[in-house]
Amino acid sequence: TQLLEQSPQFLSIQEGENLTVYCNSSSVFSSLQWYRQEPGEGPVLLVTVVTGGEVKKLKRLTFQFGDARKDSSLHITAAQPGDTGLYLCAGARAGNNRKLIWGLGTSLAVNP
Amino acid sequence: GAGVSQSPRYKVTKRGQDVALRCDPISGHVSLYWYRQALGQGPEFLTYFNYEAQQDKSGLPNDRFSAERPEGSISTLTIQRTEQRDSAMYRCASSLARGTQETQYFGPGTRLLVL
Repeated sequence: TQLLEQSPQFLSIQEGENLTVYCNSSSVFSSLQWYRQEPGEGPVLLVTVVTGGEVKKLKRLTFQFGDARKDSSLHITAAQPGDTGLYLCAGARAGNNRKLIWGLGTSLAVNP
Repeated sequence: GAGVSQSPRYKVTKRGQDVALRCDPISGHVSLYWYRQALGQGPEFLTYFNYEAQQDKSGLPNDRFSAERPEGSISTLTIQRTEQRDSAMYRCASSLARGTQETQYFGPGTRLLVL
């Protein structure tokens, strides 16, 4: 059973389009992180959200944590080829925040 | 060094051999994590340490897998009697382990191929 479901699994879009990636769970998380991974490299942290309903923006990327802290979304505006990569969400459970629960990832390809 | 380093970067071994994968975390980082990652998928937790203490090894697949961090710095993941299904990318990460919003910094990984 996958505790964190990511969707879509694959996404191929044209430069300039908008997209949203979802991370859903039936479990409550004390915090949730989004990472981006490029081919041949390790995941790199983009953002951490902690409070239910929290919204964080990182240039063209907008991250939202659900009110119940069970889900999150990543929205990219006007995608660029440099956004191509594997986007991963990872949640920390209360009482064991060192062991992250990882989603399977969304592989994004932005075509010029 | 500035980041997490792992060695070797690539390891090809024959089924039944033992392998040892090394992780050198960022200096001063308290926590060290081992993951296994399939191509195009998220990391799969194996185990983690705070200083030299192994806090959680629930993700180790079986007793052929073990890890140590004897001096609270460098860590070694050992796989005994390797099997073909052990072939994967093994990644190490380290963090300062302060508060609930810690950042894990990942190494480049060791690609293991068991023939």
